[in-house]
Parts: sequence; C-alpha cells; structure tokens
Amino acid sequence: EVQLVESGGGLIQPGGSLRLSCVVSGFNFSDYQYNWVRQAPGKGLEWVAWISMSGNVVKYADSVKGRFSITKDKVNKSVSLQMNSLRGDDTAVYYCARTTSDYGIDFWGQGTLVTVSS
Amino acid sequence: DIVMTQSPEHLAVSLGERATINCKSSQSFSYTLTDKNFLSWYQQRPGQPPKLLIYRASIRESGVPDRFSGSGSATEFSLNIDNVQAEDVAVYYCLQYYGSPSFGQGTKVELK
Repeated sequence: EVQLVESGGGLIQPGGSLRLSCVVSGFNFSDYQYNWVRQAPGKGLEWVAWISMSGNVVKYADSVKGRFSITKDKVNKSVSLQMNSLRGDDTAVYYCARTTSDYGIDFWGQGTLVTVSS
Repeated sequence: DIVMTQSPEHLAVSLGERATINCKSSQSFSYTLTDKNFLSWYQQRPGQPPKLLIYRASIRESGVPDRFSGSGSATEFSLNIDNVQAEDVAVYYCLQYYGSPSFGQGTKVELK
C-alpha cells in the first residue's frame, strides 16, 4: 500500500523554525520526484517546493524562497521541509506529494498542520 | 510563472446533471510533438487530501468512475462530471506541471 506520512507540524511563534518530515512506503522511493503543497485554513492549494528524483534539483515558490529548504534522504526514504523565519501566512496544512513528469502529483499524504502564532 | 485561472468558483448542480469546470492557463504548456498536456485534475472532499482524477488533461486515473472526463489543450482545459452523484460534492482543482507547478483556485461543487 502506497503511504506518505507527514510529521513535525505544530504551533510555532513568528520568526521560529520547524522541520517537516515525510516518510514513504509501499513503492520505490527513488523512482519519484516530490512536492510539498500547503493549504491555508479554508483556502485553496498552494505549491511550496519540489525536489527532483536525484535530489540535485530543487524549486521553490516565491513566497518561501530563501526561507524554506527541501531535501530527501534515500536511506530513510524520507523527504523533509526545513522552514525558517516563519510568518503568520505560513499557517496551513502541509502535504507531501509523490510526483512524476507524466502524472504530475499522483498521491498525497494526509498532511500536517503548521500554526504560526504568538 | 504559469498562472491557472479556474472557473466557476462555485457550481450548484442537480443530481444526474452535468457539471463543467474550466481551467485557463496564462501560457501554453503542451508538447505538440508528443501531444502531451501537463495538466491534471483533483477532487478534495472535506478533511481529506486531494485525490487524482485525471492526468495529461484527459487520461482517467485507475479506479475513477467514467462519469469524470477531461479535455482541452494548449491553454484551455475542462473537467466534466456527467450524471452528478451525491458523493461528487467536493472542491475540484486543476494543476499544471509543465513548469513550476501551479494550481487553479478551486471550484466548489454542491447539489441544488
């Protein structure tokens, strides 16, 4: 069974840092690209970051560039999102998503909630 | 960056009717040689992550009912839901994955 399980969300003060993790199982980790996508409460989907199959190429949305960093760990079959200098408008459910060039995003995790508030 | 404009924002349909959702891209992202359109459609029910319905604009994902269909190319794409059922009440999103991914704003489908 394909699974992507996110963790690491929580309540954090503005200016703080948080690291999200996504552990995958049920498929070959190295065969896929990965995205992080977020959804603010009651709002639509917003793409955040992408990492290539090799892990050598990454892309970021302008709203997080310079603050967020996406990485992957083949040994632990995980994708991480390091989030620094967090702001109130970063409050959202963060989804880890499996991706291919042909399908786009074909499978999503259940998401982890990040709340940035003092 | 490619901007996706999705319409309508809300759509109320009766059981058994057809729903049509549109997505317009700010630039073309079709590879004409391979006829690939890098656009997919997702359904999101409340409290759940999105679910892939259609990829490459018109190919139905395995297990998706055949009342869901996608069409279009270049900059104009559509998702049709024929014979709308109660379980189709959800928010629907388009996604282009030609460049850095970008989503449409979403369409909330409700029953009349």
